[in-house]
Amino acid sequence: DTEVTQTPKHLVMGMTNKKSLKCEQHMGHRAMYWYKQKAKKPPELMFVYSYEKLSINESVPSRFSPECPNSSLLNLHLHALQPEDSALYLCASGAGQGDTQYFGPGTRLTVL
Amino acid sequence: GQSLEQPSEVTAVEGAIVQINCTYQTSGFYGLSWYQQHDGGAPTFLSYNALDGLEETGRFSSFLSRSDSYGYLLLQELQMKDSASYFCAVRVRYGGATNKLIFGTGTLLAVQP
Repeated sequence: DTEVTQTPKHLVMGMTNKKSLKCEQHMGHRAMYWYKQKAKKPPELMFVYSYEKLSINESVPSRFSPECPNSSLLNLHLHALQPEDSALYLCASGAGQGDTQYFGPGTRLTVL
Repeated sequence: GQSLEQPSEVTAVEGAIVQINCTYQTSGFYGLSWYQQHDGGAPTFLSYNALDGLEETGRFSSFLSRSDSYGYLLLQELQMKDSASYFCAVRVRYGGATNKLIFGTGTLLAVQP
């Protein structure tokens, strides 16, 4: 299995909602990443987990809360988001931190 | 700071060859990667250069010159399906044994019939 999967594909939420994005990989990769991508812009790193421990937090607002329940799963919990948080949220995994990253299809998030 | 520059748009015709350049200013450089992203899709890994020189993978080749802080992606025998955004990405040291990717500004390639 050489795939990173993400759910849901699309998400619309209000500013008072709580929702979660999910990411799964079964490649045995030990590093997992969350990126945010705005239209016509490059992906921006948010968080990195290495061996299920948070190793990088790129000064992301606390309304985004990552979680790595096990080596195959990565969640991003969302709460009290702002309309400017609307973007494509991409999950990626790699054999080790800094190794080639393989991206999931993303969750397109709209905050109303 | 860290920065990577690419041309914003490139247009070419089917069957042609196109080169997408990437210049970077970073500290703790490990290597240069290239990713392709179709509209509405996820970035897909194309190539990685850790050392100077040319790496070839089918129709795609990637080049790196560490002394010039410069690399390029060469696409040959262009096909319509190559129309996409192309990102260079530098692998840099973040701290200790930790490293990360920093993506370039992206180049939108339009292949015309």
